[in-house]
Amino acid sequence: QVHLQQWGTGLLEPSETLSLTCGVHDASLNIFYWGWIRQSPGKGLEWIGDISPSADTNYNPSLKSRVTISRDTSQRQHSLRLTSVTAADSAVYYCVCSSGWYKIDHWGQGTLVSVSS
Amino acid sequence: QSALTQPPSASGSPGQSVTISCTGTSSDIGASNFISWYQQHPGKVPKLIISEVNKRPSGVPDRFSGSKSGNTASLTVSGLQTEDEADYYCSSNVANSYIFGSGTWVTVL
Repeated sequence: QVHLQQWGTGLLEPSETLSLTCGVHDASLNIFYWGWIRQSPGKGLEWIGDISPSADTNYNPSLKSRVTISRDTSQRQHSLRLTSVTAADSAVYYCVCSSGWYKIDHWGQGTLVSVSS
Repeated sequence: QSALTQPPSASGSPGQSVTISCTGTSSDIGASNFISWYQQHPGKVPKLIISEVNKRPSGVPDRFSGSKSGNTASLTVSGLQTEDEADYYCSSNVANSYIFGSGTWVTVL
């Protein structure tokens, strides 16, 4: 059973860079897709992007210019960077895993990120 | 990418059935068999309950079923139980991108 544990800065000021990391337990980053999804308060789910077993990345077109997803296979971690944040980026951010067939079947515990001056 | 359209709410009495629709276009729902559904209880992490239109992961009760017709996918919860009260989100994957629905809150009366 894949277990995901995430961490990162929860309070940012506008224009700063959001940085979150997800530790992967009981799975290899060279298998499966690893990504990020966010949920604004009281709102629905928004896919941010993912990284494939071969380290190819896919991003939500609406965020693509500001997003970078990377991985460190030796540390069994993958990370999210989102630049130039605004209040609209305030949300709970989940690290996720898709074990195949484009289903998100593993979720981290979520990190609340607030952007405020 | 526009969010898939779901009704904001649905309801049913215990033991009854409720069906939630998820409407997209020929470019997302209509073009994909990778339709998933997620259940989210308040303050909790979403949970996969249906994948590939109608497949249930291990441990998900067979009261949950999925289907698709044209540009609309549907989730049916049969034999409603109190613990089924939650938000439900559909998702479609096309060309390695996920689109989610707007979410439906199911109330068990």
